Amino acid sequence: NAGVTQTPKFQVLKTGQSMTLQCAQDMNHNSMYWYRQDPGMGLRLIYYSASEGTTDKGEVPNGYNVSRLNKREFSLRLESAAPSQTSVYFCASRDSGTGLQGEQYFGPGTRLTVT
Amino acid sequence: KQEVTQIPAALSVPEGENLVLNCSFTDSAIYNLQWFRQDPGKGLTSLLLIQSSQREQTSGRLNASLDKSSGRSTLYIAASQPGDSATYLCAVMFSGGYNKLIFGAGTRLAVHP
Repeated sequence: NAGVTQTPKFQVLKTGQSMTLQCAQDMNHNSMYWYRQDPGMGLRLIYYSASEGTTDKGEVPNGYNVSRLNKREFSLRLESAAPSQTSVYFCASRDSGTGLQGEQYFGPGTRLTVT
Repeated sequence: KQEVTQIPAALSVPEGENLVLNCSFTDSAIYNLQWFRQDPGKGLTSLLLIQSSQREQTSGRLNASLDKSSGRSTLYIAASQPGDSATYLCAVMFSGGYNKLIFGAGTRLAVHP
């Protein structure tokens, strides 16, 4: 199984440009997440989707939008990129069908630079 | 505010040493705690998941303990090897924060031959 996949792996944007980060999982998980990782700060939750058709804000949602396209796919959109959004973005999924017991599985990340 | 802290931020040890990584959290009401490994430029790999009802979990040379009352978890690595060099992250799912993991900043471990 591929697990959690993300595209693209690297991206450079200019301030004000828009882009969508794609994430897909093939584990039939209900819950999916978007995090950003900045040096010295660990990972912070941007948005999550507990199940298909639902999305909720995390700790740092400003400047981002998400779409849970179907059970497999969860995309993150930057409408007008800012240098403060330079970061590494990780997508994750979790099987919440067993309640709160499941591990989160992470994709390889997208390294985004905004100039 | 629910927070997770990892100390030390960096650790360098000689090969073969047993070591302990520390994780502390501000609220004892948790659902579970997960330890991850991250290699440079890579994603996160789950090492161990401890449910709130458990005291410890073991996988090979790794042992993670959980003490909710004191808000602490430790990751014990036995007989460390150079291949263990990575950043280790602790993440907590707090009660009331359903579905959300709060991460510590990580401990960067270097094991030298």
